[in-house]
Amino acid sequence: DAGVIQSPRHEVTEMGQEVTLRCKPISGHNSLFWYRQTMMRGLELLIYFNNNVPIDDSGMPEDRFSAKMPNASFSTLKIQPSEPRDSAVYFCASSSRGDYGYTFGSGTRLTVV
Amino acid sequence: KNQVEQSPQSLIILEGKNCTLQCNYTVSPFSNLRWYKQDTGRGPVSLTIMTFSENTKSNGRYTATLDADTKQSSLHITASQLSDSASYICVVSDQTGANNLFFGTGTRLTVIP
Repeated sequence: DAGVIQSPRHEVTEMGQEVTLRCKPISGHNSLFWYRQTMMRGLELLIYFNNNVPIDDSGMPEDRFSAKMPNASFSTLKIQPSEPRDSAVYFCASSSRGDYGYTFGSGTRLTVV
Repeated sequence: KNQVEQSPQSLIILEGKNCTLQCNYTVSPFSNLRWYKQDTGRGPVSLTIMTFSENTKSNGRYTATLDADTKQSSLHITASQLSDSASYICVVSDQTGANNLFFGTGTRLTVIP
């Protein structure tokens, strides 16, 4: 099992550019989560999907952020336009129904300059 | 307000020594509490998960305790190793849904030779 796979591992972009982060959950997991981690605020849930359907996006900071899950094996988190304050590590996690244990990916470190 | 607070914020110990990390929470109604280890540049990895009825759970040199009455948990690391250097994150879930997690900001542990 390759675990939760995120790409890219690192992304450096200029302010105003569009950024797309990608996630492949563990096969068979039906829930997928996007988190943002900063030194100041720790881990924050942005949005989660259940069976490919967005359930709660109340953590998405503003309209510049959007997430999609077109199928059970792929999800994207898009920031457009990006701003320096979006710089953080973005984690994707997946879990299966009734499974208390989440599995996190290795994260994407985003730097907006 | 549902909160999870961890202490200390950071800790430095000598290799071979024991240490204890603390987690206090106000999450209600309580469902379960998890401890995660996060190595630098990696995603969090689950160490233990405890429900209301469990007082202690071990995973190798890691032992977690839970006092649901006082809403406190601790993570005890025995005979520390250099590889234990990481951030340890306490996460509490309420009963509104398996996906409603509250994260502490973590304790940064450094084990020195």
